[in-house]
Amino acid sequence: SAVISQKPSRDICQRGTSLTIQCQVDSQVTMMFWYRQQPGQSLTLIATANQGSEATYESGFVIDKFPISRPNLTFSTLTVSNMSPEDSSIYLCSVMTGTLGYEQYFGPGTRLTVT
Amino acid sequence: KQEVTQIPAALSVPEGENLVLNCSFTDSAIYNLQWFRQDPGKGLTSLLLIQSSQREQTSGRLNASLDKSSGRSTLYIAASQPGDSATYLCAVRRRRGGYNKLIFGAGTRLAVHP
Repeated sequence: SAVISQKPSRDICQRGTSLTIQCQVDSQVTMMFWYRQQPGQSLTLIATANQGSEATYESGFVIDKFPISRPNLTFSTLTVSNMSPEDSSIYLCSVMTGTLGYEQYFGPGTRLTVT
Repeated sequence: KQEVTQIPAALSVPEGENLVLNCSFTDSAIYNLQWFRQDPGKGLTSLLLIQSSQREQTSGRLNASLDKSSGRSTLYIAASQPGDSATYLCAVRRRRGGYNKLIFGAGTRLAVHP
């Protein structure tokens, strides 16, 4: 299994500002992902964080709004830029391991409220 | 396009009941299927992972089955307890186009009352 930590666990931010969320994994992993969960909804994949190259974004998500860094195999950041109230969500970091047949693990999430 | 549906959307039961949560998916070309639990405002906890070649997996009071040909999985919870109250999410990993994407259902919100 993989143990994932995220910082901050929650934040309240003003419209127009940016927030960077950090994700740390206790072991080296190849595949790392960022998800968004809007209130009352299921999870939506934002992007795959690629080590050493640009992230791969899903339809509807763009780099200018959600820049992602992946400097090594245990760490990634997601920035939510120029925030609006519609960005209020839980943001989740996730990793996939291949040792047990591609099992996926999730961090505790960052609860973001934009006022 | 793979779609995952979970029924029921919500369930409220008295303590001690045996439960069945249902998950269906439209494309049988899956690599595996994973059941998660999510407590309110928290991250996801992986409960069971079933590979496409497997029929079921068990962990404690939980048993998950997979019928790939009919596009169905069930999560069976035996002797439910109030601590089982949470949202249960089913997700499939597609086989076509790479293995890196999990497709989630909307979840079943379970409440077990004493």
